[in-house]
Amino acid sequence: QSVLTQPPSVSAAPGQKVIISCSGSSSNIGNNYVSWYQHLPGKAPRLLIYENNKRPSGIPGRFSGSNSGTSATLGITGVQTGDEADYYCGSRQSSLSEEMLFGGGTKLTVL
Amino acid sequence: QVQLHESGPGLVKPSGTLSLTCVVSGDSIRSSFWWSWVRLPPGKGLDWLGDIHHSERPFYNPSLKSRVTISVDTSKNQFSLNLRSVTAADTAIYYCARRSPGRTASFFDYWGQGTLVTVSS
Repeated sequence: QSVLTQPPSVSAAPGQKVIISCSGSSSNIGNNYVSWYQHLPGKAPRLLIYENNKRPSGIPGRFSGSNSGTSATLGITGVQTGDEADYYCGSRQSSLSEEMLFGGGTKLTVL
Repeated sequence: QVQLHESGPGLVKPSGTLSLTCVVSGDSIRSSFWWSWVRLPPGKGLDWLGDIHHSERPFYNPSLKSRVTISVDTSKNQFSLNLRSVTAADTAIYYCARRSPGRTASFFDYWGQGTLVTVSS
């Protein structure tokens, strides 16, 4: 059971918009930045969003992020078949262990 | 371009020790970044194991703390993972990754391709 909660799956037709949520608490998302990762089977996870809403170089503007207190969202506009993947949110736990956390992951299916 | 590459045995016996090494190129392991291990068990989500900095104490996942050790070899620009007393539940793809140095703004920007480790007799 992950501390950060994501829906197990979402779906969208090509060209549509999809939003993936990540719910946490004041001990993690509420006081730390959120990052998002895309994972295709057999590939290394890829950083999509860092510090809530910043995109690394090379990540298309179709991907966006936001953080509103204890929950965060990843938005994908103009969904493409190549976006079919698992998406994970990540943040830090404000505790003695300074544990890094991941959500349980959300499978995006492109219809 | 920063690159990370994991290596180690693909099969470990139950109760044995899982040992992996990650070689870093394109960045110095003495930089300000942290060096991490993350795993993906079959059918489950990403699981952070721990990370290390060349000049600070390592951090470990509390659920694994008694079994895990991460060390760094600055002369070879690499870092390693040891996970003791493994069971089938430790079967996973193991990734090494680079983590940003910020305390509240922590994220993994570069990842290795991953290596599958199976725990079985």
